Amino acid sequence: KNQVEQSPQSLIILEGKNCTLQCNYTVSPFSNLRWYKQDTGRGPVSLTIMTFSENTKSNGRYTATLDADTKQSSLHITASQLSDSASYICVVSPLYNTDKLIFGTGTRLQVFP
Amino acid sequence: NAGVTQTPKFRVLKTGQSMTLLCAQDMNHEYMYWYRQDPGMGLRLIHYSVGEGTTAKGEVPDGYNVSRLKKQNFLLGLESAAPSQTSVYFCASRLLSGREGKPYNEQFFGPGTRLTVL
Repeated sequence: KNQVEQSPQSLIILEGKNCTLQCNYTVSPFSNLRWYKQDTGRGPVSLTIMTFSENTKSNGRYTATLDADTKQSSLHITASQLSDSASYICVVSPLYNTDKLIFGTGTRLQVFP
Repeated sequence: NAGVTQTPKFRVLKTGQSMTLLCAQDMNHEYMYWYRQDPGMGLRLIHYSVGEGTTAKGEVPDGYNVSRLKKQNFLLGLESAAPSQTSVYFCASRLLSGREGKPYNEQFFGPGTRLTVL
């Protein structure tokens, strides 16, 4: 069983709509939780990083939330744009081995006009 | 700054051939990483380096070797390629934690190398 699970696997929305992506993790204890955006054929790019003591972090139209008690995180995208079409990856950094990040398999988002 | 660059972008090998993937970063980062990304799986760490002249094994190191002779470069070698090594390979780098006033430092990824082993 993956230590970081994301849902849904894929999502299609219309331009201008909002959406929320989910991440459940079992990694414990952890140092921080990250959300990355990966465009097709490109490397991942960091969107947000939250420590275990933070419960929300924003980056423009992207807002990540973290509930360390339930081990859940979400990424909310507001007023989606065509350029938001990408894979979004949830990543957890274990507290005692911060070099060995644990990656989710990602949610593939497609935004249509 | 170019950030993290990888060469080549694409490569096709025959089983048993060898090759070296080059990663270069111009951000003076101490840490460098090699990952592979396969369909339906999250990125997996192959090897990493915490500084010039040092290397360490990640989650899936078998079949790969690495070297970090210069701070800015991290090489990934496949001595005898196998079809199971068909994948997209990403390099990443980051500053030492605590630098720039942050308790952690994000990893910056290169554009990837798509490798096919026939």
